[in-house]
Amino acid sequence: DTEVTQTPKHLVMGMTNKKSLKCEQHMGHRAMYWYKQKAKKPPELMFVYSYEKLSINESVPSRFSPECPNSSLLNLHLHALQPEDSALYLCASSPTFTGGTDTQYFGPGTRLTVL
Amino acid sequence: GQSLEQPSEVTAVEGAIVQINCTYQTSGFYGLSWYQQHDGGAPTFLSYNALDGLEETGRFSSFLSRSDSYGYLLLQELQMKDSASYFCAVRDNTDKLIFGTGTRLQVFP
Repeated sequence: DTEVTQTPKHLVMGMTNKKSLKCEQHMGHRAMYWYKQKAKKPPELMFVYSYEKLSINESVPSRFSPECPNSSLLNLHLHALQPEDSALYLCASSPTFTGGTDTQYFGPGTRLTVL
Repeated sequence: GQSLEQPSEVTAVEGAIVQINCTYQTSGFYGLSWYQQHDGGAPTFLSYNALDGLEETGRFSSFLSRSDSYGYLLLQELQMKDSASYFCAVRDNTDKLIFGTGTRLQVFP
């Protein structure tokens, strides 16, 4: 199984809502990532979890809150978002964070629209 | 700062060969990767070069010259399904994967 799954596929939320994005992988990978991607732009790293611990936070606003409940799951909790946060949110995983090749396996993403 | 520059768009016809270039300037370098992303889809890994030279995987080949901070992705026998965006990426000295600006490839019949 070389698949990373993400739910939901699409999400529309108001600026006062609280919602969560979910990501799951069963490849035994110990590194998981959240990226944000705007149209026609490359993915931008938001967070890195390595062995279920937060390793990198790319100065992401606190209205985005990541969580890694176990080695297979990664959540992104959303609260009080702004319209400019509308984007495709991608989850990825890799065997490890440091060392090795750069192969990251991406999920299909959640298309988020903030009204 | 860190930068990976690619042409914004490339067009070609079916059956042709196309080369997508990537020049990089990063703090640290462990290797150059290439990812393909179809519209509305996820990026998928294509290739990785840690050492100078050419790596071939089927119709796709990737080249790296570390002395020139340059690499390219070569796509042969183009098919309509190759129409997608292609990103080069470098893992920097903090182990983060930094993506290039992206190249949109359009293949015409």
